[in-house]
Amino acid sequence: AQTIHQWPVAEIKAVGSPLSLGCTIKGKSSPNLYWYWQATGGTLQQLFYSITVGQVESVVQLNLSASRPKDDQFILSTEKLLLSHSGFYLCAWSPQGAAEVFFGKGTRLTVV
Amino acid sequence: SQLAEENSWALSVHEGESVTVNCSYKTSITALQWYRQKSGKGPAQLILIRSNEREKRNGRLRATLDTSSQSSSLSITATRCEDTAVYFCATENNNAGAKLTFGGGTRLTVRP
Repeated sequence: AQTIHQWPVAEIKAVGSPLSLGCTIKGKSSPNLYWYWQATGGTLQQLFYSITVGQVESVVQLNLSASRPKDDQFILSTEKLLLSHSGFYLCAWSPQGAAEVFFGKGTRLTVV
Repeated sequence: SQLAEENSWALSVHEGESVTVNCSYKTSITALQWYRQKSGKGPAQLILIRSNEREKRNGRLRATLDTSSQSSSLSITATRCEDTAVYFCATENNNAGAKLTFGGGTRLTVRP
């Protein structure tokens, strides 16, 4: 069975500090990978998606970047956090060519 | 760009009652999905309904899709307290799942 693991579960970071969030998917080769952001009580906004290693497409510019260094790994990062980066970050995956998206448990980020 | 939106921000019912959440979208789609998100968790897919389908069922859930009016509904019968969650519709305009646009969500509360 496929599993998706996100880390950390929660972070409290200072404005201007760097950030790195990680996600791994086990049990599935060559998945599509996604990063979503959700403001408290808000909708899910897709940030990035990747259909293969080393290839990442940006959907929304939020002063964040993403990388896919391995087939099963997706990293979200920034060198300088803003207050507006606070929220719930969700990693997700879908099989190639399939529509259902499976979400991780998310990382709660608070920027102070 | 696509816009998927649920038509009610919040709904409240008593346990055992039925409830319907509606969703409208703006452009052509290949499929529409309904997701449920419980507090502090990632969303989980409930139903995927393709553009050539008019109705789909999953246990107590029934989704409809009307491509002429660009709308969908999700009905839940015999609601339970554990159905309390935010319900999102999400649209895609390709079959690869790479770009999923979520609506703002409807918060459903099922009271005992």
